[in-house]
Amino acid sequence: NAGVTQTPKFRILKIGQSMTLQCTQDMNHNYMYWYRQDPGMGLKLIYYSVGAGITDKGEVPNGYNVSRSTTEDFPLRLELAAPSQTSVYFCASSRTSGREGAYNEQFFGPGTRLTVL
Amino acid sequence: AQTVTQSQPEMSVQEAETVTLSCTYDTSESDYYLFWYKQPPSRQMILVIRQEAYKQQNATENRFSVNFQKAAKSFSLKISDSQLGDAAMYFCASRSYNTDKLIFGTGTRLQVFP
Repeated sequence: NAGVTQTPKFRILKIGQSMTLQCTQDMNHNYMYWYRQDPGMGLKLIYYSVGAGITDKGEVPNGYNVSRSTTEDFPLRLELAAPSQTSVYFCASSRTSGREGAYNEQFFGPGTRLTVL
Repeated sequence: AQTVTQSQPEMSVQEAETVTLSCTYDTSESDYYLFWYKQPPSRQMILVIRQEAYKQQNATENRFSVNFQKAAKSFSLKISDSQLGDAAMYFCASRSYNTDKLIFGTGTRLQVFP
């Protein structure tokens, strides 16, 4: 199993450009998440999904969009890139959530470093 | 709202010695999980240890153990017999049973000296 994979690893965008960060997991996990990590800070949740066709906002959703058409993929879309979106983006997945399962560990991808100039 | 606070931006330890990283949290929930994640220079987030709030016994994973003080809302991580490979950022996180959202602290950078 590859686990959670993210592409690209690095990207530089100009202000106003758009891009999609790709995330794929091969563990058949229902739950998927997008986080951003600003320098010197912990991770903050952008969006999450509890299954194909279902998404919901996290703590910092403004400026982003997501979709979940399959169990495996959870792309994150930036429509009009701004310098405030310069960050490292992490995708994660878990089998279940709530009380079900054994602690519902979130497995993280390696991250995408995005710079907006 | 849940919050997680890590008051030590940086810590250092000698190889083979023991170090404790601090974490406090605030939540109005009665049932929740607590986690410690390690982030080495590769940026990969790795789960180190986890604790369910209803369990009084402190979790242990090999050289890693926690001191969970529920009344004080404290969740410290002890690393015994520190190794050079333990050098990383360590994040404390919490999640309520009723939500899907992990709340992270700001992290502690651990340096290990030979």
